Amino acid sequence: GAVVSQHPSRVICKSGTSVKIECRSLDFQATTMFWYRQFPKQSLMLMATSNEGSKATYEQGVEKDKFLINHASLTLSTLTVTSAHPEDSSFYICSATTTSYEQYFGPGTRLTVT
Amino acid sequence: GNSVTQMEGPVTLSEEAFLTINCTYTATGYPSLFWYVQYPGEGLQLLLKATKADDKGSNKGFEATYRKETTSFHLEKGSVQVSDSAVYFCALSEVASSASKIIFGSGTRLSIRP
Repeated sequence: GAVVSQHPSRVICKSGTSVKIECRSLDFQATTMFWYRQFPKQSLMLMATSNEGSKATYEQGVEKDKFLINHASLTLSTLTVTSAHPEDSSFYICSATTTSYEQYFGPGTRLTVT
Repeated sequence: GNSVTQMEGPVTLSEEAFLTINCTYTATGYPSLFWYVQYPGEGLQLLLKATKADDKGSNKGFEATYRKETTSFHLEKGSVQVSDSAVYFCALSEVASSASKIIFGSGTRLSIRP
């Protein structure tokens, strides 16, 4: 089946620094990737939709200058959390779609900002 | 706006017990409904789906029926196994495929005792 990986799986950074999270589709080409954020015991909240070669579409309330998304190829999208603060600590999950129109999810990245 | 509400966990059952995880939704129009499962350390996987009223989705012994009159999509399994231990997410999409925006419930953690 389709596999999506994320790297790193866990990251701890200091307040004010930037962190990059990678999302890769390992065995298929993904025209669209999604980025979600999950707080403890809460729903996955869609942050943005990323199409290869174009600017990401952000959901209402998500700061595009803080959460930079790049989708440079059909197998890689990156999320960069800029000037991270403790309130950015969360579980970030990406997903990717293929021509089968199903979303395949990565295992998630846990970010802790100290 | 659209939303999904599912029963809070954790749910703990003995092996071979009957499982029900309740899910109700609020949506305009005619959404598609999904159940996703997340096994420990893995990404979300589509478990089953239904795209119109009275449709029944089924997979791996799990079933859920799209009930428009009660706006529900409860997940059931007649005899659970230890390997079913995971977090289950009810979700909806405004279109038939999951390639578009998905709205998730908060997830229900299921633990099965041998």
